Amino acid sequence: DAGITQSPRHKVTETGTPVTLRCHQTENHRYMYWYRQDPGHGLRLIHYSYGVKDTDKGEVSDGYSVSRSKTEDFLLTLESATSSQTSVYFCATASLAGANVLTFGAGSRLTVL
Amino acid sequence: AQSVTQLDSHVSVSEGTPVLLRCNYSSSYSPSLFWYVQHPNKGLQLLLKYTSAATLVKGINGFEAEFKKSETSFHLTKPSAHMSDAAEYFCVVTVTNTGNQFYFGTGTSLTVIP
Repeated sequence: DAGITQSPRHKVTETGTPVTLRCHQTENHRYMYWYRQDPGHGLRLIHYSYGVKDTDKGEVSDGYSVSRSKTEDFLLTLESATSSQTSVYFCATASLAGANVLTFGAGSRLTVL
Repeated sequence: AQSVTQLDSHVSVSEGTPVLLRCNYSSSYSPSLFWYVQHPNKGLQLLLKYTSAATLVKGINGFEAEFKKSETSFHLTKPSAHMSDAAEYFCVVTVTNTGNQFYFGTGTSLTVIP
């Protein structure tokens, strides 16, 4: 396990409020990812990072922003949450220097009312 | 572009019978392929991976998968299903020279009947 911690694990919020999810890793992996999981869709990539301050969009990035100021932390922000962003969010890491497999956090369940 | 298609959204087998979960991939480059498992209300765990070595890959819990380039397939099999195998299974592809993005299939839900 890459030692990935997601916080908060559960959050209920109202439409229009900002939300930040945090991912913290202890394995010094270069790549970090945010996915959302919804029934019938599998996991879809929101944003990913390939280094400090280096990020790029995934397939479902609208309404989300990310920041990575340190190797170990990757933040996902919903500037103004909508009900369509109700989902389970997973953070993952990978390292090309190693086996280059995705290792996942436990997930964050977000409900937007 | 890279993508995976999991051909069955649900598979149901009896305990002790073989399991076959099908995955086809599309990739412009030589891919790495993975199978992940997710038990109910849990995170995702790596079952096995293919990275251009042996085409038959053995994973945890008796699962294995065979990479067939001519068929662009990477099907997951297990000779004898156990009740504990009931879970959601995801096929995943990545290509390291296109940004190291990992693309997921939509998942196959495996039910094991006692």
